Amino acid sequence: EPEVTQTPSHQVTQMGQEVILRCVPISNHLYFYWYRQILGQKVEFLVSFYNNEISEKSEIFDDQFSVERPDGSNFTLKIRSTKLEDSAMYFCATRTGVNSPLHFGNGTRLTVT
Amino acid sequence: RKEVEQDPGPFNVPEGATVAFNCTYSNSASQSFFWYRQDCRKEPKLLMSVYSSGNEDGRFTAQLNRASQYISLLIRDSKLSDSATYLCVVMVTGNQFYFGTGTSLTVIP
Repeated sequence: EPEVTQTPSHQVTQMGQEVILRCVPISNHLYFYWYRQILGQKVEFLVSFYNNEISEKSEIFDDQFSVERPDGSNFTLKIRSTKLEDSAMYFCATRTGVNSPLHFGNGTRLTVT
Repeated sequence: RKEVEQDPGPFNVPEGATVAFNCTYSNSASQSFFWYRQDCRKEPKLLMSVYSSGNEDGRFTAQLNRASQYISLLIRDSKLSDSATYLCVVMVTGNQFYFGTGTSLTVIP
């Protein structure tokens, strides 16, 4: 079964540093998302991306965050200047089209020290 | 008011028991409904979509009640491997998904 793949699985970074989280979507999926989950809390929406542009973003997704699909396969989330409170699991999710469910990647655990 | 609400549990049930979870949603324009399973520190995995007429997949049965705005998940003959957190997910528009906080299930030998 095709999978959404995320790298790295764990990233440790110092406060103020930039990080890039990578996702390879399932090949025929058209809609891409980033979610985060702080340990013990609910899954929170960050941003959705379709047709090479952001379709929606949450209030969490401020100017420190950006997304792009630089080469038509990887879908990346960049955090420009990490804060301690950015420590969380970051999940990429993709889906084929309207009304189809989300398929999640294995996640990247980001630890900001 | 939260978009999606679930009883966080925990639900501790013996092997072989039947357990049911409910989830309520606030937006009557919600279009699609899903149950996901999440193991500790892992990604959510789709368990089943929930259809208007209700649907069953082996030991799992999902129901939708649009009038009362809730969905349910019934697990029959619980297995130890069913221990996980079950997430209710509601799609409001074509692009907005709302997650419940999850219901924790532990199946005890």
